[in-house]
Amino acid sequence: QSALTQPASVSGSPGQSITISCTGTSSDVGNYNLVSWYQQHPGKAPKLIISEVSKRPSGISYRFSGSKSDNTASLTISGVQGEDEADYYCCSYAGSTTHVVFGGGTKLTVL
Amino acid sequence: EVQLLESGGGLVQPGGSLRLSCTASGFTFSTYAMSWVRQAPGKGLEWVSSINAGGTNIKYPDSVKGRFTISRDDSKNTLYLQMNSLGAEDTAVYYCARDRGFGWYFDLWGRGTLVTVSS
Repeated sequence: QSALTQPASVSGSPGQSITISCTGTSSDVGNYNLVSWYQQHPGKAPKLIISEVSKRPSGISYRFSGSKSDNTASLTISGVQGEDEADYYCCSYAGSTTHVVFGGGTKLTVL
Repeated sequence: EVQLLESGGGLVQPGGSLRLSCTASGFTFSTYAMSWVRQAPGKGLEWVSSINAGGTNIKYPDSVKGRFTISRDDSKNTLYLQMNSLGAEDTAVYYCARDRGFGWYFDLWGRGTLVTVSS
């Protein structure tokens, strides 16, 4: 069982917006603005798409955005495209003892 | 080109040992924290270990503490993971990742190396 809870799957039609939630606790997501999101296509390495809750690294599409409220972080993909079909993982810093926790991952299907 | 390249994976018997390496290029390796993250077949990502720049602060989850040892050789731009007392639960693709802020986020990943623990 992963420390952060994500839905196992989400789906959307091209052009729609989808949101993936990531629920943690007051010891991780709720206590630090250090939630990151990763996109992973089959057989490929994960790729950073959001850091520090809502920052987009250079080269990442503006269609990806992140936010956080209390113990839940969210990743929104606006105008979903076929190339967005992948697994998405959230991750949070969790303090000096636990250090880092990942979510279980969400499979995005573009209909 | 900025990249990370893992090596050292393979088939090992239960109870055995293996050492993974990750060679960095295209950036000043010594100034970054580094981490290992693994992914069991068909499963999600699991953080395995982190080491800060300078190697003075090291972290492990309970699942590998006492069995795995992370280290770095800045003169060789290389990160290591020594894995002992391996079990079937350690079968996974092991990724090396550049770690920003020591656990804040991972901004560069290698392609991974597969470790299979089986008799």
